[in-house]
Amino acid sequence: GAVVSQHPSRVICKSGTSVKIECRSLDFQATTMFWYRQFPKQSLMLMATSNEGSKATYEQGVEKDKFLINHASLTLSTLTVTSAHPEDSSFYICSAIPGQGASSEQFFGPGTRLTVL
Amino acid sequence: AQSVTQPDIHITVSEGASLELRCNYSYGATPYLFWYVQSPGQGLQLLLKYFSGDTLVQGIKGFEAEFKRSQSSFNLRKPSVHWSDAAEYFCAVGAGFGNEKLTFGTGTRLTIIP
Repeated sequence: GAVVSQHPSRVICKSGTSVKIECRSLDFQATTMFWYRQFPKQSLMLMATSNEGSKATYEQGVEKDKFLINHASLTLSTLTVTSAHPEDSSFYICSAIPGQGASSEQFFGPGTRLTVL
Repeated sequence: AQSVTQPDIHITVSEGASLELRCNYSYGATPYLFWYVQSPGQGLQLLLKYFSGDTLVQGIKGFEAEFKRSQSSFNLRKPSVHWSDAAEYFCAVGAGFGNEKLTFGTGTRLTIIP
């Protein structure tokens, strides 16, 4: 089956630093990837839609200058949390859709736990 | 705007017992509905989905769900649970064609007791 990986699985950083999270589709090409944020005991909230070769589309209320998304290849999207603060601590999950059809299934990564001290 | 409500935060059932997880949605058009399962340290796995047609949908691992438009519900069922079913379950509604821009419920944590 289609596998999506995320790296790192856990990261702890100091306030004010930047953190990069990678999302890779291991055995398929993904023109579209999604980034979600999950707070404890809460829903996954869509942050942005990442399209290969173009700018990401951010959801309302998500700061594009704070959460930089780069989808440079068909198998890799990165999320960089810039100048991280404790309130950015969360569980970040990516997903990827194989191929170009919008009806394809989303495959999810295992998530990255970010803790900002 | 679309929304999903999962009224039960945590459910405990005995192994071998039947299970029903509730999901109610709010969406202006015909919804695209999904159930996902999340185990610790793993990504979300699709259990089943409803786009159109037969309102009773069969999924993997013996799960099924029934779409009831009149009740705006898409409840997940399994006739006999196994210890390996212990996990977090999420209901989601799709905004447009297919899987794009999913809106998730808050999830239901399922505990199985021997």
